[in-house]
Amino acid sequence: EAQVTQNPRYLITVTGKKLTVTCSQNMNHEYMSWYRQDPGLGLRQIYYSMNVEVTDKGDVPEGYKVSRKEKRNFPLILESPSPNQTSLYFCASSLSVGGAWPQHFGDGTRLSIL
Amino acid sequence: TQLLEQSPQFLSIQEGENLTVYCNSSSVFSSLQWYRQEPGEGPVLLVTVVTGGEVKKLKRLTFQFGDARKDSSLHITAAQPGDTGLYLCAGAPYFGNEKLTFGTGTRLTIIP
Repeated sequence: EAQVTQNPRYLITVTGKKLTVTCSQNMNHEYMSWYRQDPGLGLRQIYYSMNVEVTDKGDVPEGYKVSRKEKRNFPLILESPSPNQTSLYFCASSLSVGGAWPQHFGDGTRLSIL
Repeated sequence: TQLLEQSPQFLSIQEGENLTVYCNSSSVFSSLQWYRQEPGEGPVLLVTVVTGGEVKKLKRLTFQFGDARKDSSLHITAAQPGDTGLYLCAGAPYFGNEKLTFGTGTRLTIIP
């Protein structure tokens, strides 16, 4: 089954404790991205990657890091999480760049930073 | 940054009624997508419109892209409880740019 898998689905942690949210897709997609979803603000892009070893900032990259060492994986790293990073996070992939390609989303990671 | 405003933000109607939700911007988009998101899940693509004035139908859902490619609407006929969810529009600013801009969403509740 074609899918985007995120882990963990839920995480409660404390300020300053490094964490990684993993994302993996099995569709051989070139393009992957991370979004955060907050009430009233919609989906905002954090980082994206057009291919292996190619990443770039989205609209809200501060406090986040990503890497793309393999085509299928695109982890999101919070080096020193803070409470304002409490949010619902989604990883997405698409076949290629360009807005007409459908984005395939994971089921989300709900992150709470105390 | 290009903005997409969706209205209404919340909508609660009875089963069987018709409804329209809107997605508006002052910017031109090369294409526009509509997604539906259900609780505990990620958004799922419903449709992509790419031509100004284009109308696409998906069963009881009708999507229209504005002639000027700045706005879009989603009309649901005879709404059913299964239509409940968060509807998101997303625009691509111009060809070759990979970044979608998402609207803030319309949360739709259909009351049985």
